Amino acid sequence: DTAVSQTPKYLVTQMGNDKSIKCEQNLGHDTMYWYKQDSKKFLKIMFSYNNKELIINETVPNRFSPKSPDKAHLNLHINSLELGDSAVYFCASSPLGTGGRGYTFGSGTRLTVV
Amino acid sequence: AQKVTQAQTEISVVEKEDVTLDCVYETRDTTYYLFWYKQPPSGELVFLIRRNSFDEQNEISGRYSWNFQKSTSSFNFTITASQVVDSAVYFCALSEVATGRRALTFGSGTRLQVQP
Repeated sequence: DTAVSQTPKYLVTQMGNDKSIKCEQNLGHDTMYWYKQDSKKFLKIMFSYNNKELIINETVPNRFSPKSPDKAHLNLHINSLELGDSAVYFCASSPLGTGGRGYTFGSGTRLTVV
Repeated sequence: AQKVTQAQTEISVVEKEDVTLDCVYETRDTTYYLFWYKQPPSGELVFLIRRNSFDEQNEISGRYSWNFQKSTSSFNFTITASQVVDSAVYFCALSEVATGRRALTFGSGTRLQVQP
């Protein structure tokens, strides 16, 4: 069973469209995250949710809206996609304590805006 | 604010050479965790090690070893007898505990190329 699963793995879409990326974890973790990796490989936190409550919201355009229906899911919705949104988006989760490996990452979603 | 610096953008070595990847961090927190991740060409992030701020013991795992020095705020990673399969981008990362900011702050990564 995949611990943190993201769908889709690849997403190609036109500018101006709205798209969503889904993330689910089956580890029982209470905190979930979205990270963005740009073309230069820089990895940066976008959002963090703890038990469905938003706790980190970095400087991200408000076209990006995370939604957490329950603590096992954290979806990312992007409105009016722009070329600069092209990147790899990673979902991750972590337990309340930071035991073990601390963070488990999904395999990433490569978003290409054309 | 927290910061992680990986000054080496890219390193190229020949197979069987030893290589050290540098990581320097900044944090005001007294309790924090340091990590190393590997990102092979396939793109996934592979966990390598997690170290808490109270444990300065060096660690060895096979060909991998880590040197944590709080006095210099460094957490360096050495690969002994490198292999082609070690070719990847390696990220050092930090998470703070006391601030409640549990998200990882990543360095910019070091691309390691191991030539046969």
